[in-house]
Amino acid sequence: GQNIDQPTEMTATEGAIVQINCTYQTSGFNGLFWYQQHAGEAPTFLSYNVLDGLEEKGRFSSFLSRSKGYSYLLLKELQMKDSASYLCAVRGGDSNYQLIWGAGTKLIIKP
Amino acid sequence: DTAVSQTPKYLVTQMGNDKSIKCEQNLGHDTMYWYKQDSKKFLKIMFSYNNKELIINETVPNRFSPKSPDKAHLNLHINSLELGDSAVYFCASSQDRGVANSPLHFGNGTRLTVT
Repeated sequence: GQNIDQPTEMTATEGAIVQINCTYQTSGFNGLFWYQQHAGEAPTFLSYNVLDGLEEKGRFSSFLSRSKGYSYLLLKELQMKDSASYLCAVRGGDSNYQLIWGAGTKLIIKP
Repeated sequence: DTAVSQTPKYLVTQMGNDKSIKCEQNLGHDTMYWYKQDSKKFLKIMFSYNNKELIINETVPNRFSPKSPDKAHLNLHINSLELGDSAVYFCASSQDRGVANSPLHFGNGTRLTVT
């Protein structure tokens, strides 16, 4: 079957760095997305990786290893507003490029 | 200038009623989706339309019926509402189902509560 695993919850301190991991097993792979979802709001797109390596976007970076079925989202210089759920989603190999979603990681930032 | 808008934001109704949620996108996207997010925050795909054509229809009770009058609109009608239908329903759109790196753009969600 197809499966995406992420930690349920993580806690970090303001100003620090946190890494949120995502492992996946899917039939086919056409890229991996990270989304941010604040409580009571819609998910918003953060990053897309399809090639191995690190993609950096300001304070956020996303890494992919296709051979290991593994990705992580790295958040630097944490701010209180980064408290949110972070969703990992893989675009599978079916003809509709369907997205397979993880359950999300709730990140709590403490002062 | 809202990209994906859905109404209503909140919907409280009684079991057995019929209700509709409307969704519109002004991004010129070809593909639209309905997702259900339950209390555990897991996003489940319900339906997907590409240029008004149904392309994804997951295992959803036939009480749920999507309608796409044109590629900018995808509405969701729910008959005979049940307690278990209580959730947040998100509409989303993407450029085209064949563009792998095309992200989904979500509406703000409709929080449905069935009493």
